[in-house]
Amino acid sequence: DQQVKQNSPSLSVQEGRISILNCDYTNSMFDYFLWYKKYPAEGPTFLISISSIKDKNEDGRFTVFLNKSAKHLSLHIVPSQPGDSAVYFCAARDSGGSNYKLTFGKGTLLTVNP
Amino acid sequence: EAQVTQNPRYLITVTGKKLTVTCSQNMNHEYMSWYRQDPGLGLRQIYYSMNVEVTDKGDVPEGYKVSRKEKRNFPLILESPSPNQTSLYFCASTRVATGELFFGEGSRLTVL
Repeated sequence: DQQVKQNSPSLSVQEGRISILNCDYTNSMFDYFLWYKKYPAEGPTFLISISSIKDKNEDGRFTVFLNKSAKHLSLHIVPSQPGDSAVYFCAARDSGGSNYKLTFGKGTLLTVNP
Repeated sequence: EAQVTQNPRYLITVTGKKLTVTCSQNMNHEYMSWYRQDPGLGLRQIYYSMNVEVTDKGDVPEGYKVSRKEKRNFPLILESPSPNQTSLYFCASTRVATGELFFGEGSRLTVL
């Protein structure tokens, strides 16, 4: 049973426009959420995170929104740039356990066209 | 520079031939873990370690072993590799205060 779902395997946007990547989760014990970006032949790199006590976190062009009641979060990239083209993973953590494991979604491939 | 270093980056081996993927971090993190990435499945945790000599199974531990004799090193051992262990492997080190994982560059393993 997949606890973190990214239902869009891919997304294509034009340079300068907004990219919106979505993520849904089912585990109510998740209280910390992260987005990772992955380029080919590289490891995932941390992008932005949000605690469950917040509904928005912003860092430059990147904003993450959390809707706890809907168990939904989204990553907005504005404006999108060709260098943003990568696979984006949504991840969640259950801080109640001793394992600092992140549960990842399957990823969304974002392509930003010049 | 904060780093997680894995070796080898690429490896082709045959069924049953023992292999070890090394992992080292320079951030003095206590928590380390191994993940595998497979098409359509995302990243899944294999094993984790809370500290030296403290390890435990993740979601997909079958066919793997780990050890944590030193804080900086966390090798992944495949005693008898099988083709279903063909995958892309990532070692990660966690900054517990923020929950952020720092990943290595990955090790692509093919078992024939």
